[in-house]
Amino acid sequence: GENVEQHPSTLSVQEGDSAVIKCTYSDSASNYFPWYKQELGKRPQLIIDIRSNVGEKKDQRIAVTLNKTAKHFSLHITETQPEDSAVYFCAASRRAAGNKLTFGGGTRVLVKP
Amino acid sequence: SAVISQKPSRDICQRGTSLTIQCQVDSQVTMMFWYRQQPGQSLTLIATANQGSEATYESGFVIDKFPISRPNLTFSTLTVSNMSPEDSSIYLCSVLLEWTEAFFGQGTRLTVV
Repeated sequence: GENVEQHPSTLSVQEGDSAVIKCTYSDSASNYFPWYKQELGKRPQLIIDIRSNVGEKKDQRIAVTLNKTAKHFSLHITETQPEDSAVYFCAASRRAAGNKLTFGGGTRVLVKP
Repeated sequence: SAVISQKPSRDICQRGTSLTIQCQVDSQVTMMFWYRQQPGQSLTLIATANQGSEATYESGFVIDKFPISRPNLTFSTLTVSNMSPEDSSIYLCSVLLEWTEAFFGQGTRLTVV
């Protein structure tokens, strides 16, 4: 089955700086890669996703890049703000597997004011 | 989007007992999933809840321990049976929309004493 590894497990950045989280996946057939943000005590919420036919996608301060050859994808948050502090999870899935998501281990991001 | 109501939101249970968690969606969805999130950890898929047939369990999870019902396209239940302290965790239901985007219920925080 699919295996997703996520690094780093914790990330501390100064407000205004950028944060980058990287994930690698094992199943070359995976074709959908979402990122979820989970604030303390709350449910995971989708912040951005990318499909395998696209190399990069951006939404305001958040961007995701995908390298299918190397089987890795990254989340980039620019101009970080205190409200970006949360746990971020990457995930991967392939349609043939019933769309079930395999999650990375998570990255706890702390933005220091 | 989908509005998912999950209950109970939390419970404290005695070891050896069982707890049934309910997940109600405001629209018909084909795919529903149950995840477990242990404290400070990532999300692990327990099973896919199939409407009209037996759930599909992931490696390490069995029906006798986690029986699942899916009587229709808007509702599912997960039972945690014969609980032990190791079952203390957050349990989340999830639905898939637009063939890949996943939404989560607010979770059930279970403590077994």
